[in-house]
Amino acid sequence: EAGVTQSPTHLIKTRGQQATLRCSPISGHTSVYWYQQALGLGLQFLLWYDEGEERNRGNFPPRFSGRQFPNYSSELNVNALELEDSALYLCASSLGSGHYNEQFFGPGTRLTVL
Amino acid sequence: GESVGLHLPTLSVQEGDNSIINCAYSNSASDYFIWYKQESGKGPQFIIDIRSNMDKRQGQRVTVLLNKTVKHLSLQIAATQPGDSAVYFCAERNFGSGNTGKLIFGQGTTLQVKP
Repeated sequence: EAGVTQSPTHLIKTRGQQATLRCSPISGHTSVYWYQQALGLGLQFLLWYDEGEERNRGNFPPRFSGRQFPNYSSELNVNALELEDSALYLCASSLGSGHYNEQFFGPGTRLTVL
Repeated sequence: GESVGLHLPTLSVQEGDNSIINCAYSNSASDYFIWYKQESGKGPQFIIDIRSNMDKRQGQRVTVLLNKTVKHLSLQIAATQPGDSAVYFCAERNFGSGNTGKLIFGQGTTLQVKP
């Protein structure tokens, strides 16, 4: 069974540009989560999508947004990039939205903002 | 505030020894705790979890202990192997306000296994 996949692996942008990151969940999983892993800050929760709807967002500015498509894949968009947005962006998926459903992580997209 | 912290940033052990990685959490209302392992260039991988109504759970070579009195979580790895070298994160979930989907992660401990 294929795991969570993310693309691209690496992304280099300049300040002010927009970045689009993509995630394909494990087949059959309907929930997708996005986390930011910046150096020295650990993993920070960004967004949660379930059945096409945004269910929760973390403490990030509105220029971080996303969506979930009918096939449950997801996109994270970061507008007006800032240097501090440089980080590893991790996507996870789970089988439904149950309290104890395990979140399976993808390998991440490394975003570098110059 | 919300935080899950780790006592030691780096742990170095000899191959074959047992490893203990510790984690402190601040929210006494947290309901669920998970340990993840992250190898270089990969996403976090689930190791073991424990619910707040338990104080111990065992897996293959791993044991998680939960002490709610002092808000402490630990991961014990028996007979540590070179393949165990990675960064280990504890994470918590709080269902008090409903299901937010949010995992709160600690900063991580690097485990180095010496051959």
